[in-house]
Amino acid sequence: GENVEQHPSTLSVQEGDSAVIKCTYSDSASNYFPWYKQELGKGPQLIIDIRSNVGEKKDQRIAVTLNKTAKHFSLHITETQPEDSAVYFCAASLEAALIFGKGTTLSVSS
Amino acid sequence: DAGVTQSPTHLIKTRGQQVTLRCSPKSGHDTVSWYQQALGQGPQFIFQYYEEEERQRGNFPDRFSGHQFPNYSSELNVNALLLGDSALYLCASSLDPPTGGSSYEQYFGPGTRLTVT
Repeated sequence: GENVEQHPSTLSVQEGDSAVIKCTYSDSASNYFPWYKQELGKGPQLIIDIRSNVGEKKDQRIAVTLNKTAKHFSLHITETQPEDSAVYFCAASLEAALIFGKGTTLSVSS
Repeated sequence: DAGVTQSPTHLIKTRGQQVTLRCSPKSGHDTVSWYQQALGQGPQFIFQYYEEEERQRGNFPDRFSGHQFPNYSSELNVNALLLGDSALYLCASSLDPPTGGSSYEQYFGPGTRLTVT
């Protein structure tokens, strides 16, 4: 079955810097790759996603890139703000199930 | 427009007991998935319900069962609770994709925190 690895597990940046989180997946048939942000005591919030027929997608300060050949995808956050501090999860999916990475705790200090 | 709602928020049960968790999907959604999130881990897929049938199941024992009602709401039942069942249980709703299509976006509720003592 699918396996998703996520790095780094923790990431600390200064306000205004960029942050990059990377994930790799094992099943080449996976075709949908969402990213979620989870704040303390809340459920995961979908922030951006990408499908296998697209190489890059951008939404304001957030962008995601996908390399199908290497089976990895990345989340890029530019001009980070303190409110970006949270746990970020990547996931991969073929049909019903989302298979999640173990998460990255992002801390943005002002 | 109400998002995904779950009840109860918190629950404390004793080992061996049974528990039922409830979920109402986002308006317009017809598919419900359940996930278990242990502390410090990513969510793990339990199963997905569509048209009142279990469509796909993750690697969870038969003690975990579910139901979907005609109004698309769903219940997760866990029997013979173990200490290891303590976790945040998340419900996610989505639209069923067209035949042969890829996954649609899944939107999560706030979760139910289950503590087994």
